[in-house]
Amino acid sequence: QSALTQPASVSGSPGQSITISCTGTSSDVGGYNYVSWYQEYPGKAPKLMIYEVSNRPSGVSNRFSGSKSGNTASLTISGLQAEDEADYYCGSYRSSSTLHVFGTGTKVTVL
Amino acid sequence: QVQFVQSGAEVKKPGASVKVSCKASGYTFTNYGLHWVRQAPGQRLEWMGWLNAGNGDAKYSQRFQGRVTFTRDTSASTAYMELSSLISEDTSVYYCARSSYGWSLDSWGQGTLVTVSS
Repeated sequence: QSALTQPASVSGSPGQSITISCTGTSSDVGGYNYVSWYQEYPGKAPKLMIYEVSNRPSGVSNRFSGSKSGNTASLTISGLQAEDEADYYCGSYRSSSTLHVFGTGTKVTVL
Repeated sequence: QVQFVQSGAEVKKPGASVKVSCKASGYTFTNYGLHWVRQAPGQRLEWMGWLNAGNGDAKYSQRFQGRVTFTRDTSASTAYMELSSLISEDTSVYYCARSSYGWSLDSWGQGTLVTVSS
């Protein structure tokens, strides 16, 4: 099954804002508000950062925000910090025999 | 707090099966579903399927259908993932994660490395 499409890498300087896109289809991202975002450090388990497109779990910094337009969801990190350097994955419910799909992943580099 | 402890690393030969356990604590096990996800070295996250911890119903990714089985022991708050007919491409870290709002995965186990090698 095909993954959601993300840019391979995004970079920014400390204090800047960056946006990561996640493109799917009307069967997943575009059809449901069931998009989530995960942060992953090397050798560590992923951490939920955003759920249902734009909701932040308790304890996640308000520098992280999510949105969606059509078949593309986005994660914005504002006030970029060194600790934000990690891999980020989107995920979405999909109306098919495979009910969930992840994105291709984006490496965020803080310059 | 919600926590998952997974079983230790495994080394298996091609054609064998592996069974990974995931013990939950900090919440009522049967009130939430569980996802299984894997990640091959240097690769993206891959969703394997979902287990209804309450009634044992499972939904599998088409990619693993027929080769993977999810079970649970509610008395031990533990879920299991068994993958059969292993090939080298199954070498991955396998994660369990709790299913939350909007099919998000809100708490993850530490991962179990399964290495398939002759």
